[in-house]
Amino acid sequence: SAVISQKPSRDICQRGTSLTIQCQVDSQVTMMFWYRQQPGQSLTLIATANQGSEATYESGFVIDKFPISRPNLTFSTLTVSNMSPEDSSIYLCSARQGTAGQSFFGQGTRLTVV
Amino acid sequence: KQEVTQIPAALSVPEGENLVLNCSFTDSAIYNLQWFRQDPGKGLTSLLLIQSSQREQTSGRLNASLDKSSGRSTLYIAASQPGDSATYLCAVRPNFGNEKLTFGTGTRLTIIP
Repeated sequence: SAVISQKPSRDICQRGTSLTIQCQVDSQVTMMFWYRQQPGQSLTLIATANQGSEATYESGFVIDKFPISRPNLTFSTLTVSNMSPEDSSIYLCSARQGTAGQSFFGQGTRLTVV
Repeated sequence: KQEVTQIPAALSVPEGENLVLNCSFTDSAIYNLQWFRQDPGKGLTSLLLIQSSQREQTSGRLNASLDKSSGRSTLYIAASQPGDSATYLCAVRPNFGNEKLTFGTGTRLTIIP
């Protein structure tokens, strides 16, 4: 199994500012993903973080709003840019080892935008 | 488009009872299915992964079954404990070339001491 450390665990931010969330995996993984979970909702995939290249975004999510980096096989960051109260959510990093393996999740970042 | 549904949305049972959580998916052509638990405000903890060729997986007091043809999976929890209180999510992976998970709506489980 993979252990995923995500930080910060929570933050309260002013609207119009940006927050960068870090995700560190304790072993090399094939795939890394970023999800958003809005209050009372299930998880929605934001993007797949590709090592050494641009992330692959899902419909409704754009790079200017959610820039993602993945410089190596164990680390990724998600930035939430120009935040508004609608961005208040839990953001979750996920990783998978191998093509048929389990998906693992970090503990999430609870973001509140005021 | 794959849709994943979990019914009921919430469930309360007395401690010690056995219980079953349900997960339904609309497209039976899945690669695998995974069950997670989520404590309030926290991330997801993986419970069980069932590949499309498998019928069930067991871990301790948990047993997950998969019936691909009918688009259903169940998570059986034996001898429930207050520590089992959490939201349980199922997620399906469509096929080998598609890395994306589609999550269910979740069942919020409360075990009453």
